[in-house]
Amino acid sequence: SAVISQKPSRDICQRGTSLTIQCQVDSQVTMMFWYRQQPGQSLTLIATANQGSEATYESGFVIDKFPISRPNLTFSTLTVSNMSPEDSSIYLCSVDGGYLSGNTIYFGEGSWLTVV
Amino acid sequence: GNSVTQMEGPVTLSEEAFLTINCTYTATGYPSLFWYVQYPGEGLQLLLKATKADDKGSNKGFEATYRKETTSFHLEKGSVQVSDSAVYFCALRSNSGNTPLVFGKGTRLSVIA
Repeated sequence: SAVISQKPSRDICQRGTSLTIQCQVDSQVTMMFWYRQQPGQSLTLIATANQGSEATYESGFVIDKFPISRPNLTFSTLTVSNMSPEDSSIYLCSVDGGYLSGNTIYFGEGSWLTVV
Repeated sequence: GNSVTQMEGPVTLSEEAFLTINCTYTATGYPSLFWYVQYPGEGLQLLLKATKADDKGSNKGFEATYRKETTSFHLEKGSVQVSDSAVYFCALRSNSGNTPLVFGKGTRLSVIA
C-alpha cells in the first residue's frame, strides 16, 4: 500500500483567502485523485491529476477555483482559491496503488478546512 | 454511468450484534468493489475489497462477497464492537482504464455498549 501525507491536516481560513494543500506519496504513482467531502456527505471527485499533463476536472469544478499542480510522480498540490464558507470541507488526496495492489486507491488523512 | 447505492443510516446497534450494510451497484463490465471506513475525525481507510465475481473480501471480522447475479457487495460482521463505530462507504472502480472510485453515500454506524 502507499503512504500518503497531507498538509495541512486542519486549518481555519478567512473568507476570500486561498490555501494550498500538499500531498506527498512514499512511492511513485501515475494517477492521483483529489476529492472533497462536505460535512456529513460522501466523497465527490474534484479532479484527476497525472504527472506531466493538465488535471482533468469533474463537472462543477473549475481550474480557476481549484488549481492543481503535479510536478513529479510523488507530489501534488490542490489550491482552494477565494474561499467562502461553502468551501468548508475535508479535502482528500488519493493515489492508485497500481497493478500489484489490485488497482486499489489509497487515501491520505485529509485536510479539514473551515472557512470563517 | 456507474453508480453505488447503499443503505441509509444511521444504524445503531448494541455491542455483539450482527451487522449488515447493504450495497448494490450499477456498472458496465466487471468492476472492482471496495468498502472503506472513516473513523471519527480521520480520513478514509480501505477495509476490504473484491476484484471479481464470487470473491470474498475480509478484514477485522468484516466480510463482503461480490455477487454478480444480484450486483451486490453487502458488508457483514458477526459481532460488532464499540470501536467499529464509524462511517462505511461502498465504492466501485471500473476495470476499463485508470478511473476514479465511485462512492455510495455512506452509512453511519453507532455501536453502544
